[in-house]
Amino acid sequence: EAQVTQNPRYLITVTGKKLTVTCSQNMNHEYMSWYRQDPGLGLRQIYYSMNVEVTDKGDVPEGYKVSRKEKRNFPLILESPSPNQTSLYFCASSLSGQHQETQYFGPGTRLLVL
Amino acid sequence: QKEVEQDPGPLSVPEGAIVSLNCTYSNSAFQYFMWYRQYSRKGPELLMYTYSSGNKEDGRFTAQVDKSSKYISLFIRDSQPSDSATYLCAINTNAGKSTFGDGTTLTVKP
Repeated sequence: EAQVTQNPRYLITVTGKKLTVTCSQNMNHEYMSWYRQDPGLGLRQIYYSMNVEVTDKGDVPEGYKVSRKEKRNFPLILESPSPNQTSLYFCASSLSGQHQETQYFGPGTRLLVL
Repeated sequence: QKEVEQDPGPLSVPEGAIVSLNCTYSNSAFQYFMWYRQYSRKGPELLMYTYSSGNKEDGRFTAQVDKSSKYISLFIRDSQPSDSATYLCAINTNAGKSTFGDGTTLTVKP
């Protein structure tokens, strides 16, 4: 089954404790992206990757890091989480950056930073 | 000013009504126009996609793009309770950048 998986689905942590949210897709997609969704603010793009070893900042990259060492994985790293990073995070993938119309979203990760 | 502005809602309509959802955008570099539907506690799923001005129809859904006015719309005919969800417009460049509207929550009452 074609899918985007994220782990963990729920996470409670404390300020300053480094964490990683993993994202994996099994569709051999070149393009992957991370979003955060907050009430009243919609989906905002954090980082995206057009291919392996190619990443770019989205609209809200501050406080986040990503890496794309393999095609299928695109982890989101919070080196020193803060309460304003409490949010619902979605990973997404599509065939290529020029075919984002077929973007598939993961189930989401709810993060609470105390 | 946000690059993409979406009519905020929420919207509540009776079953069978025609629904109109709207977004405006400011960046002429945007080339791809999408509508996503998001059910509660789920990730967004693509509903409609287009890249040119005009109308695109898919069953009860019609996506409309007016590039000259930088305005996009989604029409839902014969709305059903199962259409109750949050609808997000998304507009992309061809270089990977993706910008979403804030979403409009629709409730269709039986």
